[in-house]
Amino acid sequence: KAGVTQTPRYLIKTRGQQVTLSCSPISGHRSVSWYQQTPGQGLQFLFEYFSETQRNKGNFPGRFSGRQFSNSRSEMNVSTLELGDSALYLCASSLGLREEQYFGPGTRLTVT
Amino acid sequence: AQSVTQPDIHITVSEGASLELRCNYSYGATPYLFWYVQSPGQGLQLLLKYFSGDTLVQGIKGFEAEFKRSQSSFNLRKPSVHWSDAAEYFCAVGARNNQGGKLIFGQGTELSVKP
Repeated sequence: KAGVTQTPRYLIKTRGQQVTLSCSPISGHRSVSWYQQTPGQGLQFLFEYFSETQRNKGNFPGRFSGRQFSNSRSEMNVSTLELGDSALYLCASSLGLREEQYFGPGTRLTVT
Repeated sequence: AQSVTQPDIHITVSEGASLELRCNYSYGATPYLFWYVQSPGQGLQLLLKYFSGDTLVQGIKGFEAEFKRSQSSFNLRKPSVHWSDAAEYFCAVGARNNQGGKLIFGQGTELSVKP
């Protein structure tokens, strides 16, 4: 069974731009979560989607948003990029809420 | 507040030696507990999990962890470390209520293996 896939793997953007990251969960998994990883803050939860509904949200500004489609694929969007948004963005999928999560390889976003 | 503490930022062990990585958590109820490993430039790989039952859990790659409620700990162990185990290890606690599958991670322990 294929794992979690994330596209693109690497991205370079300029301050003020917006970006969309994509995540395809493991087949049959209905829950998708997003995390931001930085050297200073570590791994921080962004949000979780289940059955196309956001079920849980972390402490990030409204510039960070996401959605989930009927096939469980998910996208996250960051608008008005700031230098501090440079990070590895990880997507994780699970069968349902409160199950173990399986992570993709991440998207490395660099904001210049 | 829910939190996870990994006291050791960096550990170096010799190949073939035993390993124990420490993890302490703060959570109001019985938590879901996880250990993940991350190689440079990669995502996180699940090593093992504790949901309930036997407090000693076995994982992949020869790792095990023991849940000790009285100490709020979930330490990861391996009897004999291989050079390929060099990576960063994260302990995480999962919410067990209507907050769904949110994971709270520790800061990680970087493991180096000496030949």
